[in-house]
Amino acid sequence: DAKTTQPPSMDCAEGRAANLPCNHSTISGNEYVYWYRQIHSQGPQYIIHGLKNNETNEMASLIITEDRKSSTLILPHATLRDTAVYYCIVRVAGANSKLTFGKGITLSVRP
Amino acid sequence: EAGVVQSPRYKIIEKKQPVAFWCNPISGHNTLYWYRQNLGQGPELLIRYENEEAVDDSQLPKDRFSAERLKGVDSTLKIQPAELGDSAVYLCASSLFARNTGELFFGEGSRLTVL
Repeated sequence: DAKTTQPPSMDCAEGRAANLPCNHSTISGNEYVYWYRQIHSQGPQYIIHGLKNNETNEMASLIITEDRKSSTLILPHATLRDTAVYYCIVRVAGANSKLTFGKGITLSVRP
Repeated sequence: EAGVVQSPRYKIIEKKQPVAFWCNPISGHNTLYWYRQNLGQGPELLIRYENEEAVDDSQLPKDRFSAERLKGVDSTLKIQPAELGDSAVYLCASSLFARNTGELFFGEGSRLTVL
């Protein structure tokens, strides 16, 4: 699976959009981009995933560049409860491939 | 729908003692994972089960760690004897084998402190 690079931390104001970047310059054509988050003292939680098209669900939007070498997770209206570690993961879809976590990016939402 | 249930949530033991963690996955989920998360790090896969079969245990330290998933439902992860470096959060996750979305459902974890 391709490696991802994320800044260690960022913050944003409550109610504003949080844009979390991820670099995956070695991604292969059959690898998806997944995002999970981990709130303090909880297990990781799936957010969203995509292959090459932009994706949106009730939690977030995922924007993948045309060359697929980077992506951005967007939380449109961040709340204090969105403070967490966000993991960007690249993997081939399917139950047999591993979900390999890096250190993630710590998002702090300030009041 | 009940989520992944793990117990105990917290465990403090002295080194060289044994410890066991239990996991009950989401009903119907064929695939079960055990991850270990050290402080400040992302989770690392220890073992993955498809039903009763351990299909990936390459990262499990087999000299002291063991796991089982009898009847393809609940699972137990055991450490014997525990070492100071085993202090971590042990996370269990499950997923539907047939689904390709890559969505794993995690429990809240079991935090182990070895003194």
